[in-house]
Amino acid sequence: GEDVEQSLFLSVREGDSSVINCTYTDSSSTYLYWYKQEPGAGLQLLTYIFSNMDMKQDQRLTVLLNKKDKHLSLRIADTQTGDSAIYFCAEDEAGRRALTFGSGTRLQVQP
Amino acid sequence: ETGVTQTPRHLVMGMTNKKSLKCEQHLGHNAMYWYKQSAKKPLELMFVYSLEERVENNSVPSRFSPECPNSSHLFLHLHTLQPEDSALYLCASSQGQPIRNNEKLFFGSGTQLSVL
Repeated sequence: GEDVEQSLFLSVREGDSSVINCTYTDSSSTYLYWYKQEPGAGLQLLTYIFSNMDMKQDQRLTVLLNKKDKHLSLRIADTQTGDSAIYFCAEDEAGRRALTFGSGTRLQVQP
Repeated sequence: ETGVTQTPRHLVMGMTNKKSLKCEQHLGHNAMYWYKQSAKKPLELMFVYSLEERVENNSVPSRFSPECPNSSHLFLHLHTLQPEDSALYLCASSQGQPIRNNEKLFFGSGTQLSVL
């Protein structure tokens, strides 16, 4: 199976909360990341969490980490149309020289 | 503006053509990467360069040939590609290598490649 798995699509209404989920395989990952890709652009780091934490909050963003289940989630509160993008989960697998990314979740925010 | 510039933004080529993708980073980073982004697939790492030396080739076919003449520039030379090679090719850079300890990747906007 894939190293990092995400669902492909999520649609929410403006003002609602969005929750994007990710599962990963490498329990020795030190950091886990969320990157955002807006249309016509490359990926930009959105937030990250250290593997010994279970939660991190950054303004409208909340990252939850369940290390036992190897499950990572990104919650966006009060989702805006400008949040419409593809969100990638990534891990820094031991022994690899680069981040391992998922397939990305396309978030569509409806007015 | 991420400090990583890729050209061209779009490229259409036939299967017998030879073309090159260019990436330039203005961040003073020591490592550069090529990733391939295809619809509904995980982002695929292709090559990693650290201080101009190739340190990872992720089982990429030889029709893709990378070149890193200095730490600011990275090329991907393409020849005799197949239609399934059509994808968005993303260049990235990072300060250090290997990418551990909360290193950030900075991405370019990519080259959208179509192989006919």
